[in-house]
Amino acid sequence: DAGVIQSPRHEVTEMGQEVTLRCKPISGHNSLFWYRQTMMRGLELLIYFNNNVPIDDSGMPEDRFSAKMPNASFSTLKIQPSEPRDSAVYFCASSTTGTNQPQHFGDGTRLSIL
Amino acid sequence: GESVGLHLPTLSVQEGDNSIINCAYSNSASDYFIWYKQESGKGPQFIIDIRSNMDKRQGQRVTVLLNKTVKHLSLQIAATQPGDSAVYFCAETAPGGKLIFGQGTELSVKP
Repeated sequence: DAGVIQSPRHEVTEMGQEVTLRCKPISGHNSLFWYRQTMMRGLELLIYFNNNVPIDDSGMPEDRFSAKMPNASFSTLKIQPSEPRDSAVYFCASSTTGTNQPQHFGDGTRLSIL
Repeated sequence: GESVGLHLPTLSVQEGDNSIINCAYSNSASDYFIWYKQESGKGPQFIIDIRSNMDKRQGQRVTVLLNKTVKHLSLQIAATQPGDSAVYFCAETAPGGKLIFGQGTELSVKP
């Protein structure tokens, strides 16, 4: 079975550039989550969607970050302009809708901003 | 406030021994808990979950114990193997279905 698919796996770019991370959730999952992982802060939830609608974006660090989910099988996380402190591993996860459902993670995008 | 923390940041065990990874949570209203395993270069992988109406749940070689009285969660791995080496995270659900992750425990299995 296909799991959560993220692309690219690695991204290296210069500060000030726009970065777009992509995610394809597991088919049939109605909830999608974007996380950021760093050594200092661990796993942090940035935003999540239910049925393509953003529900909670309180974890988005600032206006430079935006996320969209145009349909049930695709989501993007965009950083514009990027800064070195955005360097981290970004994970996408999905789950079925409903209480107490496990989230299933992709293998992440390792982002380095120079 | 809501927080999940791990008692031991690192754990080293001999191959074949049992491992116990501990986790404390602070939100007494949390009703669902998950253990994840994360290997280098990969995303967190679901291992086992438990609901607050249970105090024990078993999977293949893994057992999760929940003590709501002291707000403590543990993951037991039987006959630990080198392939079990990874970082293990506990997570609890917050209102709205969000997961709150602990800082993680690194398990190292010595052959």
